[in-house]
Amino acid sequence: GAGVSQSPSNKVTEKGKDVELRCDPISGHTALYWYRQRLGQGLEFLIYFQGNSAPDKSGLPSDRFSAERTGESVSTLTIQRTQQEDSAVYLCASSSKGQLTEQYFGPGTRLTVT
Amino acid sequence: QKEVEQNSGPLSVPEGAIASLNCTYSDRVSQSFFWYRQYSGKSPELIMSIYSNGDKEDGRFTAQLNKASQYVSLLIRDSQPSDSATYLCAVNLRVNSARQLTFGSGTQLTVLP
Repeated sequence: GAGVSQSPSNKVTEKGKDVELRCDPISGHTALYWYRQRLGQGLEFLIYFQGNSAPDKSGLPSDRFSAERTGESVSTLTIQRTQQEDSAVYLCASSSKGQLTEQYFGPGTRLTVT
Repeated sequence: QKEVEQNSGPLSVPEGAIASLNCTYSDRVSQSFFWYRQYSGKSPELIMSIYSNGDKEDGRFTAQLNKASQYVSLLIRDSQPSDSATYLCAVNLRVNSARQLTFGSGTQLTVLP
């Protein structure tokens, strides 16, 4: 079946602009996660959605970052007033039952803020 | 102490040898443990999951878990140059009263032909 998909694959934006990144999870997966990976660094947790529960936003680095998910489908991560330190690969993952089960990653969106 | 700790490497092994990757974690009650492989410029790919003490084998890969020692390892037998990648250990930890999958910083493996 289809895996996790993300769009765009690459995004170059000017400092101060807003960007929106999209994630389509594996069909039937109730849990969805966003991570950030800076060049040469590890994965940094951003936010977690589980079904219709309130999302775990504990990893969002500032109030410029927000994410939405409608039901158990597509999610969008929005970064307002982008800064150069936001340059990274943004990875989305989904899992069938939440934090105890395997997460499957999408190909990522490479964001470059100039 | 990092919550999930891995030796960053680089770890180099000759083709055909056994590569041993190690990971320690801080939470005694963690229940799920995963190994991911990440090729340069690509996203992480799940290769093994383990939930119980002992060994779990899948092809050339063996995951070993020792909850008492808070230690999980990955063995790659008959290593191939195509195994050259960064290997990420991930552990389900308690973070801010909720359980969260936490990744180590990864071990870079190079298999020399």
